[in-house]
Amino acid sequence: AAGVIQSPRHLIKEKRETATLKCYPIPRHDTVYWYQQGPGQDPQFLISFYEKMQSDKGSIPDRFSAQQFSDYHSELNMSSLELGDSALYFCASSLGGGGGTEAFFGQGTRLTVV
Amino acid sequence: AQSVAQPEDQVNVAEGNPLTVKCTYSVSGNPYLFWYVQYPNRGLQFLLKYITGDNLVKGSYGFEAEFNKSQTSFHLKKPSALVSDSALYFCAVRDVYSGAGSYQLTFGKGTKLSVIP
Repeated sequence: AAGVIQSPRHLIKEKRETATLKCYPIPRHDTVYWYQQGPGQDPQFLISFYEKMQSDKGSIPDRFSAQQFSDYHSELNMSSLELGDSALYFCASSLGGGGGTEAFFGQGTRLTVV
Repeated sequence: AQSVAQPEDQVNVAEGNPLTVKCTYSVSGNPYLFWYVQYPNRGLQFLLKYITGDNLVKGSYGFEAEFNKSQTSFHLKKPSALVSDSALYFCAVRDVYSGAGSYQLTFGKGTKLSVIP
C-alpha cells in the first residue's frame, strides 16, 4: 500500500539558511499534518491542512510557513534556520481530519543545522 | 487543553511474558485515544485507537488497549511479548470537544519497550 512520502530524507543546512521539506500524502487523503520531533522528544504538532486550507496551528515558529497544494502535497518552508531547528520532521496524512481519524506518518526528514 | 502522560520511560519484559505500557490522559471533554509505535529512524506506525464503544480495543500485531474513563487511562497490552516488539511507543490524544478546527494530536513522551530474549 502507498504510504506518505517525504523528501528529502536527510538535509544539512547552515545557520540562517532556508530549507524546504516536501510531503506527498497517501492517495485520496485530503489532510496533511506536520510534526517536529527533537532528539529523545515526543512529536510536537506544527500545523495541519485540510482541503488545501490551514485547519489547525500548533507551535510553529514565525520563521516557518507551510501550504498544501492543489494536488494535496504539502511543503514546509523554514527560513533563518537555527541550531535548535535540528530535528526529525514528520508529515502525516489522513482522510478527513481531526476527531477520531488516525494519521499515517511518513518516515520523516532529518534536518541538521550546522 | 489536552495532555498525555506516560509514566514509564522504559519497560523491560521477558519474551513470552505479557506486557503493559501505561498511558493516562487529560482532556476537557471526551477523548479520542491512539497508540503509535516508532522503530529507530522510522516514522510512527499506527497501532490502534479508541473512539467510542467497547472499552477494549484490538489493534495491529496482537496489541490491544483498555480505555478506563474513571482512571483516565488507556494502557497498551499484549498477552505475549516478542523481541520484535522492542521499540518506542507513543500514546496520543485528541479532545472530542476541541471543535471542528482541532486536528492536533498531543503525544506523550514515549515509553521504550525492551523485550529480552
